[in-house]
Amino acid sequence: QVQLVESGGGVVQPGRSLRLSCATSGFTFSSYGMHWVRQAPGKGLEWVAVISNDGSNRYYADSVRGRFIISRDNSKNTLYLQMNSLRPEDTAVYYCAKDSTGRGEGYGDYWGQGTLVTVSS
Amino acid sequence: SYALTQPPSVSVPPGQTASITCSGDKLADKYVYWYQQKPGQSPVVVIYQDTKRPSGTPERFSGSNSGNTATLTISGTQAMDEADYYCQAWDSRTVVFGGGTKLTVL
Repeated sequence: QVQLVESGGGVVQPGRSLRLSCATSGFTFSSYGMHWVRQAPGKGLEWVAVISNDGSNRYYADSVRGRFIISRDNSKNTLYLQMNSLRPEDTAVYYCAKDSTGRGEGYGDYWGQGTLVTVSS
Repeated sequence: SYALTQPPSVSVPPGQTASITCSGDKLADKYVYWYQQKPGQSPVVVIYQDTKRPSGTPERFSGSNSGNTATLTISGTQAMDEADYYCQAWDSRTVVFGGGTKLTVL
């Protein structure tokens, strides 16, 4: 069965960096696009970034462009999110989601359980 | 930037029909997806490409998309359908979510 397990969350000071990982299994990772989506406490879903199956295309939300980098290692079936220059408003549960297509232009058909990132001094 | 607008809350008696709307400029030109999220759980897609149900989504869930409005309809709403619902679409290579609608079954 498809499994996505996020890790790397925690408490970090404003301005610092953090890297999230999403370990996957149960599907051919290299065939599908992948997303990061976040949800601030008590708030709605906010899309963060998407990467195509081969990593050739990456798109970002305006709120994180230039600070966050999405990447993947198809040999390790793992998705990453490098988060730099973190701000208090980046505090959220971060979900990884498998896209329904290779190019990452569909929808999230499987989601992880999320990892909490708290940005606070 | 593109925006999707949903009502913050919808209430429905058990067994009745619930309709949740999602509005955006020329939304019918885009595919709309609907997610259900229960407290403490990750989102789950219930409708994709406007009208399609993934295996596992009950038949009482249906979707439509016309003009500037997409609608998620739940016929014969059950207590287990109480959740937050989010619409999603693509615009200019970015994913846009609606603000979410809390469905209360009472």
